Amino acid sequence: GQQVMQIPQYQHVQEGEDFTTYCNSSTTLSNIQWYKQRPGGHPVFLIQLVKSGEVKKQKRLTFQFGEAKKNSSLHITATQTTDVGTYFCGASYDKVIFGPGTSLSVIP
Amino acid sequence: SAVISQKPSRDICQRGTSLTIQCQVDSQVTMMFWYRQQPGQSLTLIATANQGSEATYESGFVIDKFPISRPNLTFSTLTVSNMSPEDSSIYLCSGSGQGGNTIYFGEGSWLTVV
Repeated sequence: GQQVMQIPQYQHVQEGEDFTTYCNSSTTLSNIQWYKQRPGGHPVFLIQLVKSGEVKKQKRLTFQFGEAKKNSSLHITATQTTDVGTYFCGASYDKVIFGPGTSLSVIP
Repeated sequence: SAVISQKPSRDICQRGTSLTIQCQVDSQVTMMFWYRQQPGQSLTLIATANQGSEATYESGFVIDKFPISRPNLTFSTLTVSNMSPEDSSIYLCSGSGQGGNTIYFGEGSWLTVV
């Protein structure tokens, strides 16, 4: 079946350091989505990537979709305490399957 | 983005009882889904709510335990039946709009079964 892996499971960084989470699918995706869930909150849509090799930026966040459309990454430059939360990738097959998430904590 | 309203937002339920969660979406939403998020876990799709017909359940979820209704395009309910402590979880209503499958989530219903 379709599997979505995400690493690392946890990441602790000093404020100002960079952070990257990686998402991998066992099969080719039609698109991939990224979500952020703050502690105690619900997942909030960040972005969708559709094209092979696509790169999108949102301020300090950079999202990449792999050439084979099987993997993706989210990179945060110079983390801030407001970046704390769990980041999920959502892999689109015939339905959206979510990765296990990467929990980011930022030490001030 | 779509607006998705869900209630109750939080509840404490007795073992063996059932609870129905209601979800209202705005007109941008065409597909509706129900997810479960157990403590510290990722989101697991329970079922796709189909308008006017039986929901499409994912492996491991059955209609008797999680009956779902969607009487019209913008409203759906999920019932968690005969609850046990293992059902303590966040239940999330979600939807996607025309032309794409980006998932928008409601704020979730946090259920604790005691």
